[in-house]
Amino acid sequence: AQKVTQAQTEISVVEKEDVTLDCVYETRDTTYYLFWYKQPPSGELVFLIRRNSFDEQNEISGRYSWNFQKSTSSFNFTITASQVVDSAVYFCALSKSNTDKLIFGTGTRLQVFP
Amino acid sequence: NAGVMQNPRHLVRRRGQEARLRCSPMKGHSHVYWYRQLPEEGLKFMVYLQKENIIDESGMPKERFSAEFPKEGPSILRIQQVVRGDSAAYFCASSPLGGASSGNTIYFGEGSWLTVV
Repeated sequence: AQKVTQAQTEISVVEKEDVTLDCVYETRDTTYYLFWYKQPPSGELVFLIRRNSFDEQNEISGRYSWNFQKSTSSFNFTITASQVVDSAVYFCALSKSNTDKLIFGTGTRLQVFP
Repeated sequence: NAGVMQNPRHLVRRRGQEARLRCSPMKGHSHVYWYRQLPEEGLKFMVYLQKENIIDESGMPKERFSAEFPKEGPSILRIQQVVRGDSAAYFCASSPLGGASSGNTIYFGEGSWLTVV
């Protein structure tokens, strides 16, 4: 069975703090893909990153960074120096190589206060 | 705007009416997906379509729900005889040839919020 767990339901931080959103996944496949999406208060889903299971390099994009560790089945997302505009619900998702479904976690609501 | 286009953005229907949600994929994308987001929950897969074909509808409720992606025009998600439990956000997504299983990114539209009163 495949599953994505985002254990943190809600996180509140003050602006400029660093924050890490956890994502743990379950799959028996050797080839799979992991995604992060952002859902701001306006409701749309914004793609942030896609990572395949063979690429364990961490990635940094501006204030965003992702830590992929197959040994712990985790794909965590860190925002450095958070800003109010980062306030959103963040979803982690998993897809298998032989299917086109995305399996989403339940999301983590991040609130950044000024 | 070359993104995934959904309309209407908000739709209110009375119980028993029909709801039609439309989705135009990104230019060049041939794969369309529909997901449903119930309040305070994550997104759940409903159906995956290519032009004129339903590839995977394992997430679709057995009754009242249908989807199509005709040769011409947008993909349509149709909900007949709506009930209050159908109130949710319905997201359409698209990807290039090969779909997500080939590692392509799936891009989502802005969602259609259905409220059944």
